[in-house]
Amino acid sequence: GAVVSQHPSWVICKSGTSVKIECRSLDFQATTMFWYRQFPKQSLMLMATSNEGSKATYEQGVEKDKFLINHASLTLSTLTVTSAHPEDSSFYICSARRGLAGGAKNIQYFGAGTRLSVL
Amino acid sequence: AQTVTQSQPEMSVQEAETVTLSCTYDTSESDYYLFWYKQPPSRQMILVIRQEAYKQQNATENRFSVNFQKAAKSFSLKISDSQLGDAAMYFCATFGNEKLTFGTGTRLTIIP
Repeated sequence: GAVVSQHPSWVICKSGTSVKIECRSLDFQATTMFWYRQFPKQSLMLMATSNEGSKATYEQGVEKDKFLINHASLTLSTLTVTSAHPEDSSFYICSARRGLAGGAKNIQYFGAGTRLSVL
Repeated sequence: AQTVTQSQPEMSVQEAETVTLSCTYDTSESDYYLFWYKQPPSRQMILVIRQEAYKQQNATENRFSVNFQKAAKSFSLKISDSQLGDAAMYFCATFGNEKLTFGTGTRLTIIP
């Protein structure tokens, strides 16, 4: 159980175009989903937290108009990189947290990540 | 605010031997959780082990165990009987204030 699917795994796009990345919890309902960015050989940096049915909370320094997050259902969150530029090239990872009580709610299950290359 | 420090960028261990990865953290939260995640070459983040800070007993999961020293804010991971499949980046993380904060990672190499 607790599988998170992320699609696509790799996307190449031209500068100025928009790219949408999907994150789905396949066998559980995720009240909260998270989006991270990982540069080569570096750690994961939290970009934003999204709760189903409400606006995402962005971390300091993350442009909300550049990185649009939608969490329309308990199993799906999307990240849209708008007007992508080469500096947006990175590895994007989503995670999902179950709507459970106690310590179990703090476990995050991760997708396999999306490599974005902007030409 | 939370910070996580992993002072060992790289470690290596002989297959079947034991290795310990270090992690120290700082948090202003009174109720928090600690995790070790593994990221193999596939880049899929996999939960290895977790520890509730209010529990004194160290968590164990098969060959993986932690040494949690709350006063010292230390949370090391011990891998016993290392296997080739253990080769990966290992990230220590603390959960508090509704978010995970990761360390910079330790790359573990298993020597056959």
